[in-house]
Amino acid sequence: AQSVTQLDSQVPVFEEAPVELRCNYSSSVSVYLFWYVQYPNQGLQLLLKYLSGSTLVESINGFEAEFNKSQTSFHLRKPSVHISDTAEYFCAVSERGSARQLTFGSGTQLTVLP
Amino acid sequence: DSGVTQTPKHLITATGQRVTLRCSPRSGDLSVYWYQQSLDQGLQFLIQYYNGEERAKGNILERFSAQQFPDLHSELNLSSLELGDSALYFCASSVAFGSYYEQYFGPGTRLTVT
Repeated sequence: AQSVTQLDSQVPVFEEAPVELRCNYSSSVSVYLFWYVQYPNQGLQLLLKYLSGSTLVESINGFEAEFNKSQTSFHLRKPSVHISDTAEYFCAVSERGSARQLTFGSGTQLTVLP
Repeated sequence: DSGVTQTPKHLITATGQRVTLRCSPRSGDLSVYWYQQSLDQGLQFLIQYYNGEERAKGNILERFSAQQFPDLHSELNLSSLELGDSALYFCASSVAFGSYYEQYFGPGTRLTVT
């Protein structure tokens, strides 16, 4: 079984400031790691994923996340946020080697202030 | 637009009633997943189907059931509804089962039980 912990439920940050959303996971098996974003009144969109290879993965809109196996973490970062980044962000894991269900963290509400 | 459609968008019903939520996966996707998002429990996996067969079960109550039809659309049936069943219900689909395939999420059905 897997579990995901997102330590921060709310992260307010000013526009153009850097941000880090923290995610730690626990699993008895190897996992794939994901960040999903949910804009108000919308469904979930995949932001980025770690399957294998380079531990640093990037999204097309400037977010990046680094897989740290020793610390069982997959923190999400962005060097300069925009108002449009305001959304809820979910970290998720799934068992490696299978198209199985996702286990989600509790979510972090990122609010970018002008 | 993920290509996954869910109907209805909103549903308001009374305690004790039964409702059916419908999901049409992306064209070509064989696997369907149902998730529940509530304030109390967060985002939880309920059940997965692959090509008409149940593949995995999560925290799905006995009052809930699902099926996937030959045309690959899926329905989630919720019966003897309680106030605590009020939530956003997401359907996701992926190409196949057995290795990693990205899950695409629908916009969700918001269920309100009064």
